[in-house]
Amino acid sequence: DTGVSQNPRHKITKRGQNVTFRCDPISEHNRLYWYRQTLGQGPEFLTYFQNEAQLEKSRLLSDRFSAERPKGSFSTLEIQRTEQGDSAMYLCASSSGTGISEKLFFGSGTQLSVL
Amino acid sequence: SQQGEEDPQALSIQEGENATMNCSYKTSINNLQWYRQNSGRGLVHLILIRSNEREKHSGRLRVTLDTSKKSSSLLITASRAADTASYFCATWSGNQFYFGTGTSLTVIP
Repeated sequence: DTGVSQNPRHKITKRGQNVTFRCDPISEHNRLYWYRQTLGQGPEFLTYFQNEAQLEKSRLLSDRFSAERPKGSFSTLEIQRTEQGDSAMYLCASSSGTGISEKLFFGSGTQLSVL
Repeated sequence: SQQGEEDPQALSIQEGENATMNCSYKTSINNLQWYRQNSGRGLVHLILIRSNEREKHSGRLRVTLDTSKKSSSLLITASRAADTASYFCATWSGNQFYFGTGTSLTVIP
């Protein structure tokens, strides 16, 4: 168990550029979540995968955001035409439990700064 | 939007003292969980309490749950400087976990 890995740890980009983040979950975990967190706030749900299927997507998520999880393993989160308001920590989490006993294992996050 | 709210937003105590933080949530739940986050890092799961439980212990952690009031509390006993972090409650509703706004705990050596 090597834990959840996220890359890169930090990303600085100019407004209007596209960025892509990667998440490698714990290998036997079938669920994968993306969250966004701004300073002083709790994580805000973005989207969720069960294996390779994207089952839920936040209504707050702009069409500029897209996530994939090919083959049910690693996942990528892409933000197109970045805006300064996209600056945040992007967290990935995975889990294997279901329902009443499910708990999340988080990566260290990718800190995005849009200039 | 976030479902839970923690109280207080910030808490500063001396090492050795106990720290209590509270969480209120909005909808019915199957369980409630507490997570800890060190600055600039991801969250780490601390403890889970099921909706049919009223109290749970794990080491220096004690969690209570009152489903009638839709609230939970986390008590950290005999605090240490290493407990300095933000603490979040989380509930599961629909197909997602909702996190509260967090309590920032500072333990002064």
